[in-house]
Amino acid sequence: GEQVEQRPPHLSVREGDSAIIICTYTDSATAYFSWYKQEAGAGLQLLMSVLSNVDRKEEQGLTVLLNKKDKRLSLNLTAAHPGDSAVYFCAVTHNYAQGLTFGLGTRVSVFP
Amino acid sequence: AQTIHQWPVAEIKAVGSPLSLGCTIKGKSSPNLYWYWQATGGTLQQLFYSITVGQVESVVQLNLSASRPKDDQFILSTEKLLLSHSGFYLCAWSLEGWEQYFGPGTRLTVL
Repeated sequence: GEQVEQRPPHLSVREGDSAIIICTYTDSATAYFSWYKQEAGAGLQLLMSVLSNVDRKEEQGLTVLLNKKDKRLSLNLTAAHPGDSAVYFCAVTHNYAQGLTFGLGTRVSVFP
Repeated sequence: AQTIHQWPVAEIKAVGSPLSLGCTIKGKSSPNLYWYWQATGGTLQQLFYSITVGQVESVVQLNLSASRPKDDQFILSTEKLLLSHSGFYLCAWSLEGWEQYFGPGTRLTVL
């Protein structure tokens, strides 16, 4: 089955700087790629998602890049602020009816 | 108004006791529904999914079962809890697109 690796597990970022999180996946049939944010004790908030025909998507200070050749997905948080402190997960699937496979998560801490 | 509601918010239960967790979706017709489990500090693991009433598919059972008695309701249960069942249970929904939206979760502690 699908295997998703996510790195780094922890990321400490100065306010205003950028942060990059990378996921690699194994299944070449993977069709859907998403990023979630989880704040302490809460559910998951969908940040951005792309289908496999999209290489780049930018939205509200976030950039998602998809490299299908290398099976790599990245999330770039530009100009981080304290509200960005949370755990971020990538999640992928080849079949939307069957659910998502998640990475292990990246804990992002933004300091002043 | 919140689309997805999970109950209870938190539970503390004894090993060997039964469990029932619920998820209700409001304002969405015939959603796909999902149960995920998250160990404390860990990632999410999909447990079950359902694309229609009365039909549930298991991904990883973990000695749990799921049912979908109504279009807007998804139930997770077991007759006998294990210590390993502790964690955070999340329900999610999707419609015809790929995006999945998660509920607030239920925190389960098994002692």
